[in-house]
Amino acid sequence: DTEVTQTPKHLVMGMTNKKSLKCEQHMGHRAMYWYKQKAKKPPELMFVYSYEKLSINESVPSRFSPECPNSSLLNLHLHALQPEDSALYLCASSQVRGMGTEAFFGQGTRLTVV
Amino acid sequence: KNEVEQSPQNLTAQEGEFITINCSYSVGISALHWLQQHPGGGIVSLFMLSSGKKKHGRLIATINIQEKHSSLHITASHPRDSAVYICAVEMYSGGGADGLTFGKGTHLIIQP
Repeated sequence: DTEVTQTPKHLVMGMTNKKSLKCEQHMGHRAMYWYKQKAKKPPELMFVYSYEKLSINESVPSRFSPECPNSSLLNLHLHALQPEDSALYLCASSQVRGMGTEAFFGQGTRLTVV
Repeated sequence: KNEVEQSPQNLTAQEGEFITINCSYSVGISALHWLQQHPGGGIVSLFMLSSGKKKHGRLIATINIQEKHSSLHITASHPRDSAVYICAVEMYSGGGADGLTFGKGTHLIIQP
């Protein structure tokens, strides 16, 4: 199994809603990542988890709250988002130790904030 | 200045042509990745390079660490190769996996 599975594929939410994005992998990878990609732009790193611990937070607003309950699962909790947060949210995983290891990406969740 | 520069930004070619996409970077890296993104969003890893050359089917990737440059080649291009090709680098870090820094991508269209 070399898949990273993201759910849901599409999400429309209001600015007062609370929702969560989910990412799952069963490759035994111990590093998991959230990226945000705006239209026609490259992905930008949001969060990195290494061994279920948050190791990098790229100064992301607190309305985005990551969670890594176990080594296979990564969540992104969303609350009080703004329309400019509409984007494709991509999850990825890789082996932690072993610099220069292949990255596996999910299909992304396309989020629209109305 | 972007740490990862790709060229060209857009490329339209005829089926069968040999395609070259270039990537230059300005920082020390532990690895360079070539990725493919189709409309709809999902990203597929094509290659991960830290030196030399790799080949997979009609795709070839090379890297010159001294010159901080990599190329992705597609031989006998086909309309199904139409996608955005992204170069991304992992920078040196003492803490292990630190995520990727992406180039802006090359939008490739192969016409029948």
